[in-house]
Amino acid sequence: SQKIEQNSEALNIQEGKTATLTCNYTNYSPAYLQWYRQDPGRGPVFLLLIRENEKEKRKERLKVTFDTTLKQSLFHITASQPADSATYLCALLMDTGRRALTFGSGTRLQVQP
Amino acid sequence: DGGITQSPKYLFRKEGQNVTLSCEQNLNHDAMYWYRQDPGQGLRLIYYSQIVNDFQKGDIAEGYSVSREKKESFPLTVTSAQKNPTAFYLCASSAVGSGANVLTFGAGSRLTVL
Repeated sequence: SQKIEQNSEALNIQEGKTATLTCNYTNYSPAYLQWYRQDPGRGPVFLLLIRENEKEKRKERLKVTFDTTLKQSLFHITASQPADSATYLCALLMDTGRRALTFGSGTRLQVQP
Repeated sequence: DGGITQSPKYLFRKEGQNVTLSCEQNLNHDAMYWYRQDPGQGLRLIYYSQIVNDFQKGDIAEGYSVSREKKESFPLTVTSAQKNPTAFYLCASSAVGSGANVLTFGAGSRLTVL
């Protein structure tokens, strides 16, 4: 079956360090991979999208990599701040023709001051 | 401001009752979606609609129903057949044709069964 896996353990880091979150998938050949941020009790907010033919994408302090051979995406937040504390979700558009995103379970990031 | 409005934010239901969650968007998006989120878990797709008067089941459609009579509106009914309806419900929309299906989400509706 097709699966998207994110580390279910919370990630705790010190302010100023780089946070790295992982998204692994099996049995997909996605054309796009997306990352969203979700704060408690709120809807997710879109952060970044990366295409299958792109190795890396950057936006301010955020960087996403996409390795279609390893079937993995890494999401980096450099110079992390306490305000970056949230749950981060990766999402894929399945290659089965269904035009709706499938989400991972998310990883909670806690940045300590 | 363009966006998605979900209502009510909090809803309590007695067992055996149907309830309807509202979702309205003014983004002129063709596609709309309903996801369910349980504590500590990701989003699971309930139903989605790419165009008015058409919708498709997602992974967990049993016990739910939807309609898409207007482009702006995609209400979700949680029926008494849904055995475990207590959850956080998220509505989203996207433009069709961009290929990437970037979603804009509403603020969510939290349903509790008493």
